[in-house]
Amino acid sequence: GAVVSQHPSWVICKSGTSVKIECRSLDFQATTMFWYRQFPKQSLMLMATSNEGSKATYEQGVEKDKFLINHASLTLSTLTVTSAHPEDSSFYICSARSLAGAISNEQFFGPGTRLTVL
Amino acid sequence: QKEVEQDPGPLSVPEGAIVSLNCTYSNSAFQYFMWYRQYSRKGPELLMYTYSSGNKEDGRFTAQVDKSSKYISLFIRDSQPSDSATYLCAMRWSQGGKLIFGQGTELSVKP
Repeated sequence: GAVVSQHPSWVICKSGTSVKIECRSLDFQATTMFWYRQFPKQSLMLMATSNEGSKATYEQGVEKDKFLINHASLTLSTLTVTSAHPEDSSFYICSARSLAGAISNEQFFGPGTRLTVL
Repeated sequence: QKEVEQDPGPLSVPEGAIVSLNCTYSNSAFQYFMWYRQYSRKGPELLMYTYSSGNKEDGRFTAQVDKSSKYISLFIRDSQPSDSATYLCAMRWSQGGKLIFGQGTELSVKP
C-alpha cells in the first residue's frame, strides 16, 4: 500500500511554455502533499507544502507565481511550472502524507518527473 | 553551515562488505530520523525510521542515532550489488514537521 504516482515521468518543453505535473496518492487519502526539486547529485529541496483545499505554503526563495500548486482533492495535487526556462530543468518529486490510520504522518514519495526545458 | 551534512561520496565497496553511511546535524531539536534509498531517476523510498536515540535493526540494515553527538548512521551488512543507490538521511522536529534531507551518499557495490 501507500503508493504515490506522478505523471508524466519525463517531459521536454520549449522555453516560455507551461508544464503541468500530476501527483496522485493511489491507495490512501493524502491530507498533505509536498513538492521537491532535486538537481543532479544534490539533495531534495522542499519547494512547497499543500493541504487539501488550502493554498500552498511556499519555501523561502520559491516563486509562487511561477510554480503553481493545486491540491483540489485528497488524492491529487498538481504543480504547474509557468513560463519555463532552461534553469527550471530539474527532477521534480512529490510526496504525500496521511494523518489517518497506520500510515499516519509518514511521507510516501512519487517516482519523480524529469523536466527538460530547451 | 547546512542543517544536515552528509558526505556525497561516491563510495565503492566489494560485494559482501559492511557499509557505513553517516550524517551529522546541527539542530538538537530534531527528534525523528530516517534513511531513504534512491535509485537513479527514481523517487526516494523509506528504509529506516527511528525516533530519538538508539538502534534499530531490519534485516541487513541497522540505523543508529546518537543525539548527544548529533550523529546518525546506517549500516548495511553483506552488501549486494542491488544495494547500489544513493542513500539520503532525513530528519524532522516533530511528527508532522517537514523533512530536512542530507545531500545523499552515492553507493556502488561491485560484484
